[in-house]
Amino acid sequence: DIQLTQSPSSLSASVGDRVTITCRASQDINTYLAWFQQKPGKAPKSLIYGASNLQSGVPSKFSGSGSGTDFTLTISSLQPEDFATYYCQQYNSYPRTFGGGTKVEIK
Amino acid sequence: EVQLLESGGGLVQSGGSLRLSCAASGFTFSTSNMDWIRQAPGKGLEWVSFITSSGESTYYADSVKGRFTISRDNPKKTLYLQMNSLTAEDTAVYYCARGGWVDWGQGTLVTVSS
Repeated sequence: DIQLTQSPSSLSASVGDRVTITCRASQDINTYLAWFQQKPGKAPKSLIYGASNLQSGVPSKFSGSGSGTDFTLTISSLQPEDFATYYCQQYNSYPRTFGGGTKVEIK
Repeated sequence: EVQLLESGGGLVQSGGSLRLSCAASGFTFSTSNMDWIRQAPGKGLEWVSFITSSGESTYYADSVKGRFTISRDNPKKTLYLQMNSLTAEDTAVYYCARGGWVDWGQGTLVTVSS
C-alpha cells in the first residue's frame, strides 16, 4: 500500500499568511494526487486533482505542485474561511490512501 | 444539482450487520464509478470501497475485505454497502462519493457497540 505522510499535522497561522502543507508518498505516484479541505461536521471538499489542477470554483489562492513522491499545497493568503483540516489522497493505485491530515488553526 | 443521500446508519452491536444506501440524483448514475469513504470520530479519512459504473469490478480496503460488500442498482440510482461482522473499529461516518470525488454525500453515522 502507498503511504502518504503529511506535514505538519497542525499549524497556527494568521489571516493573510502564506501557508504550505507537504505530502510525501512512499513510492512514485506520478501526479495522481488530490487535496481536500474538510470543515467540522462537513463532507470533504475537493480542491485540487492531478497534483496541480484546481477544481472548478475553487479560488486561485489555492495551488498545488509536485510529482513523483513530493507534493505541496499552498494557500497564498489565508482567510477566515480557510481554517480547516486538509488531506492529500493518492489515486495511483488501490487501496486509495489519504494522508493523516493537517489542521490549520487561527493564531 | 448533484445530490448524494446516504441512509441506513445507526447503532448496532458488535458482530452485527447493517446495509447503507446512497441515493443519487442530478447526474447519470449508471455511467459513474462510486466509492465509500469513512471517518472515525475525531480521526482522518479512510477509503473503504469502490465499484465501477457497471458493477463488474470492485475494490476494498484490507480492513473491510471479506466483511463488506459494495453493490449498486443502476435503475434505482442507488449505491449500497453491506457491512457484516461489525466491530467497534468500524464506528465512523460513512460517505458515498461520485467518481473523481468532487461530489460527496452528507454522511451517515454507524456506531458499533461492544
